[in-house]
Amino acid sequence: GEDVEQSLFLSVREGDSSVINCTYTDSSSTYLYWYKQEPGAGLQLLTYIFSNMDMKQDQRLTVLLNKKDKHLSLRIADTQTGDSAIYFCAEKGDSSYKLIFGSGTRLLVRP
Amino acid sequence: DTGVSQNPRHKITKRGQNVTFRCDPISEHNRLYWYRQTLGQGPEFLTYFQNEAQLEKSRLLSDRFSAERPKGSFSTLEIQRTEQGDSAMYLCASSLRGSTGNTIYFGEGSWLTVV
Repeated sequence: GEDVEQSLFLSVREGDSSVINCTYTDSSSTYLYWYKQEPGAGLQLLTYIFSNMDMKQDQRLTVLLNKKDKHLSLRIADTQTGDSAIYFCAEKGDSSYKLIFGSGTRLLVRP
Repeated sequence: DTGVSQNPRHKITKRGQNVTFRCDPISEHNRLYWYRQTLGQGPEFLTYFQNEAQLEKSRLLSDRFSAERPKGSFSTLEIQRTEQGDSAMYLCASSLRGSTGNTIYFGEGSWLTVV
């Protein structure tokens, strides 16, 4: 079945780059998304990538997709303390309307 | 604010009571979703509406759960005879069919605590 896996925790120093990784199993995934969740809040859509793309850049965010290995990563440049949150990877097939989420990666940014 | 709106944001209820959550999607969005999120986990899909039609229900949605979307605008999620295992955050999301990236936008969630 469909499954999305993420590492649980990442700690970086302020100003460094953060790289959050995600693997998925559904080869028919068409769209892959990154969401951010702050404590007690809902999910904020950060960015998405279509499966025929290898890379997408949006300001400090860079998404890399290796479709062969079913591996997705989110790089945050110049990480700030306000980036501390849980980051969720999610995938969706073209003919599907539901997102399959990973368990989230908690990012801690140390001053 | 024109995002997805949910209320109440927090609800504490005694086991056995009924609760209802409301979701107002982004204006013009014809797709509406309900997800449930427990501590330390990612959201799990519960149900999906296109306009007023409920097109899919997850097996997570037991008979005690019912969702409606009359007139294809706001939606309600009702939980009858609540159990402690229902304690979770209930997230509503919406999207516009055919939009670029099929992007799905979430609300702030409704926290349910069953005591």
